[in-house]
Amino acid sequence: GAVVSQHPSWVICKSGTSVKIECRSLDFQATTMFWYRQFPKQSLMLMATSNEGSKATYEQGVEKDKFLINHASLTLSTLTVTSAHPEDSSFYICSAAPGLAITADTQYFGPGTRLTVL
Amino acid sequence: DQQVKQNSPSLSVQEGRISILNCDYTNSMFDYFLWYKKYPAEGPTFLISISSIKDKNEDGRFTVFLNKSAKHLSLHIVPSQPGDSAVYFCAASARTSGSRLTFGEGTQLTVNP
Repeated sequence: GAVVSQHPSWVICKSGTSVKIECRSLDFQATTMFWYRQFPKQSLMLMATSNEGSKATYEQGVEKDKFLINHASLTLSTLTVTSAHPEDSSFYICSAAPGLAITADTQYFGPGTRLTVL
Repeated sequence: DQQVKQNSPSLSVQEGRISILNCDYTNSMFDYFLWYKKYPAEGPTFLISISSIKDKNEDGRFTVFLNKSAKHLSLHIVPSQPGDSAVYFCAASARTSGSRLTFGEGTQLTVNP
């Protein structure tokens, strides 16, 4: 149980285009989903926290107009990288947490999406 | 400002020996610590955790030690197995921040047969 999927697993796009990444909880309802970004040899950095049906909460320094997050259902959250540039190339990972009383160890991570912007 | 640091990017040990992975933190508000294991092309999977009210937590071959005064935690794996080869991340959270996790950079563990 507690499987989280991401699609696509990798994507290459041209500079200036937008890319959408999906995060799905396959066997549980995720009230909260988190989006992380990982640059090579660096830690996972939390970008934003999204709660179903409400606006995402972005971490300091993350541009909300560039990284659009939608959490329209209890099993799906999407991250859209708008007007992507080469510096946005990174590994994007989502995690999902069931229920409302979530704790740090009840986050289940997706396999990640490798984004390369040419 | 890297609040959680894993200073060793890699560690290589022999099968059957002990693996010790270290992690340091700077934020004294952190009160819950976790270790995750990550294989290539997969997301991190939860391994073991420890609350700040304890100094040791054990689960099978995995033991996590917490030294609050030194703001240091370590993960011991004994005996190490080739299947343990992966990247290990430590992470920390603060009750005041809900379930927000702050991760270290990760340590690549290689267990040689």
